[in-house]
Amino acid sequence: EAGVAQSPRYKIIEKRQSVAFWCNPISGHATLYWYQQILGQGPKLLIQFQNNGVVDDSQLPKDRFSAERLKGVDSTLKIQPAKLEDSAVYLCASSWGREGEKLFFGSGTQLSVL
Amino acid sequence: DQQVKQNSPSLSVQEGRISILNCDYTNSMFDYFLWYKKYPAEGPTFLISISSIKDKNEDGRFTVFLNKSAKHLSLHIVPSQPGDSAVYFCAARRGFSGNTGKLIFGQGTTLQVKP
Repeated sequence: EAGVAQSPRYKIIEKRQSVAFWCNPISGHATLYWYQQILGQGPKLLIQFQNNGVVDDSQLPKDRFSAERLKGVDSTLKIQPAKLEDSAVYLCASSWGREGEKLFFGSGTQLSVL
Repeated sequence: DQQVKQNSPSLSVQEGRISILNCDYTNSMFDYFLWYKKYPAEGPTFLISISSIKDKNEDGRFTVFLNKSAKHLSLHIVPSQPGDSAVYFCAARRGFSGNTGKLIFGQGTTLQVKP
């Protein structure tokens, strides 16, 4: 079974630039999550999709972050414009969407904002 | 507001001994708990979980204990092996009823198992 695919693995940009991350979840997984992990902290949920609908985006900084999951499969997360504090690993995860189940994570995209 | 806390940033144990990683939570509505392991440059991988209706769950060398009255859970690894060296995250969820089921993670504990 193929895992969660993310690209790019690394990205270095200057502040005020824009950046986009891509995620392809495990085939058939209805639920997709984007997490932000700042160095020394645990992952923090940014947005959760159920198929192509947003279930929870309460912690997404909507003035600069946006995400979409067209056709309920792959997803993109965009930051525009980036700030220094956005430097983090952005993790995508997916699951079947059933109660009590675990999430499968991708390897993440490490973003450095200079 | 840190709802899930791992107060020990790091832990070092000798190979073959027991590793005990601790986690505290504040939200009594959490009803499902998970432990994830993370190696450098990789995403977290699921290790073991426990429902709030249980107080213990075992899977091979890994056992998770839940003390609901103390809002505390712990992960025991026996015996510890050098390959267990990683960052361990505790995570909690409120369940799917009336909630998105999102996981809330602790800060992580870096475990080093010395040969």
